[in-house]
Amino acid sequence: QVQLQESGPGLVKPSQTLSLTCTVSGGSISSGGYYWSWIRQHPGKGLEWIGYIYYSGSTYYNPSLKSRVTISVDTSKTQFSLKLSSVTAADTAVYYCARAFGVVTNFDYWGQGTLVTVSS
Amino acid sequence: QSALTQPASVSGSPGQSITISCTGTSSGVGGYNYVNYVSWYQQHPGKAPKLMIFDVSHRPSGLSNRFSGSKSGNTASLTISGLQAEDEADYYCSSYTSSSTVVFGGGTKLTVL
Repeated sequence: QVQLQESGPGLVKPSQTLSLTCTVSGGSISSGGYYWSWIRQHPGKGLEWIGYIYYSGSTYYNPSLKSRVTISVDTSKTQFSLKLSSVTAADTAVYYCARAFGVVTNFDYWGQGTLVTVSS
Repeated sequence: QSALTQPASVSGSPGQSITISCTGTSSGVGGYNYVNYVSWYQQHPGKAPKLMIFDVSHRPSGLSNRFSGSKSGNTASLTISGLQAEDEADYYCSSYTSSSTVVFGGGTKLTVL
């Protein structure tokens, strides 16, 4: 059974960089056919796709966040990470990591989500 | 980035059937090349979303056949038959765009009366 778990600071100061890691267990990041993604949800709002990475390192990002987002993968540690720079209060949200199969919109496994608050 | 439009809310009584629509603009649901790439998610409060339908009409293994998906033109639909109290949740559609990105609909709150 594949499991994903987000980890990282729950509080980030404005203008700093938000950094989160997703640890994958029960499956291998380095096997093809899956896209490893980050999705966020502002309090009381809908889902917003941030981006994804393929095991080969290819990445695609939400155009609205592209200038501030970096997603990377560490296959040896079965982890992938999210960095979001120059954060503001508008980046306060629950951040989810997820695995997509087939077409990148099929998210079959999700982490439990982690709330990140941007505040001084 | 294209937009996916969902109704803000729908409701139904136990045992009834309801349908949630997801209408696309430009690429994604409304785009010819991505007509088969729509997924649906159920989210209960405080929980992570759960995949209910992928590739327009396919159900993940083990999912109740009360949930079904379809598409007509630039509108995808999720139908829940035999409505149950535990179906009360938020539902989101998502689609793949011509820019190799993903877009979610705004979400629909289902209330079981």
